[in-house]
Amino acid sequence: AQSVTQLGSHVSVSEGALVLLRCNYSSSVPPYLFWYVQYPNQGLQLLLKYTSAATLVKGINGFEAEFKKSETSFHLTKPSAHMSDAAEYFCAVREYGNKLVFGAGTILRVKS
Amino acid sequence: DAGVTQSPTHLIKTRGQHVTLRCSPISGHKSVSWYQQVLGQGPQFIFQYYEKEERGRGNFPDRFSARQFPNYSSELNVNALLLGDSALYLCASSLEGGSNEKLFFGSGTQLSVL
Repeated sequence: AQSVTQLGSHVSVSEGALVLLRCNYSSSVPPYLFWYVQYPNQGLQLLLKYTSAATLVKGINGFEAEFKKSETSFHLTKPSAHMSDAAEYFCAVREYGNKLVFGAGTILRVKS
Repeated sequence: DAGVTQSPTHLIKTRGQHVTLRCSPISGHKSVSWYQQVLGQGPQFIFQYYEKEERGRGNFPDRFSARQFPNYSSELNVNALLLGDSALYLCASSLEGGSNEKLFFGSGTQLSVL
């Protein structure tokens, strides 16, 4: 079975600072990897996905993630945090079909 | 176009009762999946349906069941509710249910079991 580990349940950054959210996965096959964002009382919104086309994936709202096979990592970054980025972020690996295996999530706090 | 819609948005039940949650996929989407998100955890896969057939099932007891209708909408049923069933239940849809498709999530149904 595949699994996802998100390091850090809470991350706090200042507005304008770099955002780095960590994700490591385990997969026996080349993975499909995803980052989702969840705002309070809302569903999940796809930020970006990796499907082996390119190791650096650009997503919405200025986020990007780099797939590193040697490190089994798919960390999410954004050069400059904005107050509106405060939310919970989930990394996920697709096991088959529509079955995603999610990490436990990282709550991002942005300080003014 | 409307996104994935779920009803009701909130629900309160007592232990032992039964609950039915409903989901309408995005128009044109034929695959629906259900996820359970317990507070403080990531969503966990419950079921996937495609063309009214079960395509996948997560590690949930038989108290959980689902079905998909000819119009591709779906119901999730949970019998004999336990306190631990309290969670946000998310529905997601995709075109054909394939591994490389984008999954669209609804806003969820918040179930509280007292």
